Amino acid sequence: AQRVTQPEKLLSVFKGAPVELKCNYSYSGSPELFWYVQYSRQRLQLLLRHISRESIKGFTADLNKGETSFHLKKPFAQEEDSAMYYCALSNRDDKIIFGKGTRLHILP
Amino acid sequence: DVKVTQSSRYLVKRTGEKVFLECVQDMDHENMFWYRQDPGLGLRLIYFSYDVKMKEKGDIPEGYSVSREKKERFSLILESASTNQTSMYLCASSLSLAWETQYFGPGTRLLVL
Repeated sequence: AQRVTQPEKLLSVFKGAPVELKCNYSYSGSPELFWYVQYSRQRLQLLLRHISRESIKGFTADLNKGETSFHLKKPFAQEEDSAMYYCALSNRDDKIIFGKGTRLHILP
Repeated sequence: DVKVTQSSRYLVKRTGEKVFLECVQDMDHENMFWYRQDPGLGLRLIYFSYDVKMKEKGDIPEGYSVSREKKERFSLILESASTNQTSMYLCASSLSLAWETQYFGPGTRLLVL
């Protein structure tokens, strides 16, 4: 069965410290993986997808097929990074499955 | 710029009422989705649609139905609202296949008393 696991409900990080939001997935094929973000009072929006291999707002995520992970990383946290982050998986011919989300809180 | 709009930001209804949540997208997207968002449970898919008059059940369809009479509009219907349907409802659309980027509406916060 397809599954996305985000082990942390809440992650608090000091401003300027590195950030890593964990995401593990369960899928037998070649998945398409995404990170979505929801800032306070804003709509949910795409942050990045692994196929693009790009850095958005300083965030990167690398697909590790061996560990079935797609962790989201940023070297230096900023206060505006505080938000709810969802990891998501799609098998390309069906719907997207979202993780339960991690709330990132950047401490001043 | 893709725009997905939802008819209401906040709704308060009574148990047993029929509730309609409307979603409209203006980018000619084929796929539309309804999710509910609950703390600790993340996003859960209720129904989705790949084409006009076409619908597929998601993970939690019980107590809900949908309607897609026009490509741009996807309605979520609660036939008889119950208190456990109090939630944030998010509509989304995507261009073609599900693995394309999904664009979300602002959400409708529904309270069932």
